[in-house]
Amino acid sequence: GIQVEQSPPDLILQEGANSTLRCNFSDSVNNLQWFHQNPWGQLINLFYIPSGTKQNGRLSATTVATERYSLLYISSSQTTDSGVYFCALDDYKLSFGAGTTVTVRA
Amino acid sequence: NAGVTQTPKFQVLKTGQSMTLQCAQDMNHEYMSWYRQDPGMGLRLIHYSVGAGITDQGEVPNGYNVSRSTTEDFPLRLLSAAPSQTSVYFCASSYGAVSSYNEQFFGPGTRLTVL
Repeated sequence: GIQVEQSPPDLILQEGANSTLRCNFSDSVNNLQWFHQNPWGQLINLFYIPSGTKQNGRLSATTVATERYSLLYISSSQTTDSGVYFCALDDYKLSFGAGTTVTVRA
Repeated sequence: NAGVTQTPKFQVLKTGQSMTLQCAQDMNHEYMSWYRQDPGMGLRLIHYSVGAGITDQGEVPNGYNVSRSTTEDFPLRLLSAAPSQTSVYFCASSYGAVSSYNEQFFGPGTRLTVL
């Protein structure tokens, strides 16, 4: 199956800092999504982004499908951004990366 | 729309007991799937369904059964629970079918402990 690698595994930020999370994948894909899992375990859809760039408030994402990677940008981080960020690929049966655990300190 | 709903939210079982985790969606999605999440890991696919009457195995299917008699419901059955099945279970759905738009939507999860 498709391999998904996320980096870094852990990220500690001071409130207000910017950061970039990376997702590398081993094969071409039709679907790529970014999720945020909050401290209560809820999975929140951030982006559906098989290619191109999207922005939603302080978050944006870019997927370069031909080079098999996607980036998630967090700007002006807030404590509510803490949690685990997953990228997941493929169609109706997603393959998940191991996630990046983000801790934002006040 | 309620989206994807799961019941129960929490469950404790003894080894050898059976139970069914319920999942329902009201978005008329063709595709539904079950994942499990273990501590410090991403989600792993257990079973999935591409439509009513059609199911298939995912990455970690052993110990679980599924059926899809309606578009809306996709229950997951544990026939004889084992401590290794202690996990958080997520159900997901996506439109799929005639469209290539396959954004997945997840339920709130069921936290299962097997003693």
